[in-house]
Amino acid sequence: NAGVIQTPRHKVTGKGQEATLWCEPISGHSAVFWYRQTIVQGLEFLTYFRNQAPIDDSGMPKERFSAQMPNQSHSTLKIQSTQPQDSAVYLCASSLDISNERLFFGHGTKLSVL
Amino acid sequence: GEQVEQLPSILRVQEGSSASINCTYENSASNYFPWYKQEPGENPKLIIDIRSNMERKQTQGLIVLLDKKAKRFSLHITDTQPGDSAMYFCAASADSGTYQRFGTGTKLQVVP
Repeated sequence: NAGVIQTPRHKVTGKGQEATLWCEPISGHSAVFWYRQTIVQGLEFLTYFRNQAPIDDSGMPKERFSAQMPNQSHSTLKIQSTQPQDSAVYLCASSLDISNERLFFGHGTKLSVL
Repeated sequence: GEQVEQLPSILRVQEGSSASINCTYENSASNYFPWYKQEPGENPKLIIDIRSNMERKQTQGLIVLLDKKAKRFSLHITDTQPGDSAMYFCAASADSGTYQRFGTGTKLQVVP
């Protein structure tokens, strides 16, 4: 079991460019979460899927952020027209089923927007 | 409101002493309270959790207490070691269909 896999580990983009972050949850886990981690804001919830269906995207900045889960083995977080304030570590996590279970986090993608 | 407050933000203790971190939550429907440890450059990892049907849980030098009336829960690390130095996050979630809300974290430093 390789755990939750996130790629890339680091991504540097110029202001205004697009960034796509990838997450492969643990096989058999049906819930997939995206969080953003910064020093100032801590761990902020972005969005969550269950059995590939979007359940709650209340944490997503509406205009430039989107997330998909086209199949049970991967999810993507896309940020269009990246801004310096998007710089953060984006963490993907999965859990076995319902949300009231332990989260298994990936190592995150550190996004730097110059 | 559904905020989770965590204090202190920084905690410095002597090796061998105890460390305590406190969290409060607002949503009275919260029933699952995990604690995660994050070492520098690593991902957060669950170290202990407690559900609302319990008031106390203990495992390997970690004790979690839950006071549902006060909407407060706490982590106590006994006999701290240098390896306990890390960021610690509390979280809370309610029934199925909600996500875990995290506290702002506590940076624990265990000094010799």
